Amino acid sequence: DQQVKQNSPSLSVQEGRISILNCDYTNSMFDYFLWYKKYPAEGPTFLISISSIKDKNEDGRFTVFLNKSAKHLSLHIVPSQPGDSAVYFCAASRRGTSYGKLTFGQGTILTVHP
Amino acid sequence: DAGVIQSPRHEVTEMGQEVTLRCKPISGHDYLFWYRQTMMRGLELLIYFNNNVPIDDSGMPEDRFSAKMPNASFSNLKIQPSEPRDSAVYFCASRGGDREGETQYFGPGTRLLVL
Repeated sequence: DQQVKQNSPSLSVQEGRISILNCDYTNSMFDYFLWYKKYPAEGPTFLISISSIKDKNEDGRFTVFLNKSAKHLSLHIVPSQPGDSAVYFCAASRRGTSYGKLTFGQGTILTVHP
Repeated sequence: DAGVIQSPRHEVTEMGQEVTLRCKPISGHDYLFWYRQTMMRGLELLIYFNNNVPIDDSGMPEDRFSAKMPNASFSNLKIQPSEPRDSAVYFCASRGGDREGETQYFGPGTRLLVL
């Protein structure tokens, strides 16, 4: 039972253009969502997050959008840079409990071409 | 700040051998997580601790896997006996408390190959 899904295994984008990475979830109890970036031979690093009380959060070139009714979130990177090439994971959790656990999607490989 | 430290970075062993993976969380963090990453299953949570106490081990695949956290500065994950299907990258992560915006910080991972 995959509760967090990233249906696109890979995405290729030209430098300077927008990258849009998508994520769907099935568990309506999730109320906190995160995006992580992972380079080869390194652990995932936190990128940006959003609480379910918001529908948008922005940090520099990165914006995360949340559509609760559709159980869908997306990460926009504008403008894309070659250094953004990495695997991107979305993750979901239930805050306000002692759980603290994250459920991850399968990841999307982003390649930004110069 | 050294971040989360994992050792070894790479481990190659033969089927049936015991494997021990080690993790030092970020100082002051209350939570410690063990994840496994495979091509088939992606990143999956195996077990996590809060204040050195195991909270949820429902992701541990079977009895061959065990994890302990004897103190706030150290945790280990053991596989005994190891099998080829255990080959994966194992990540340790730590996190502070339950405040707004708390995030998990990952170590570099241990790449395990069981022959």
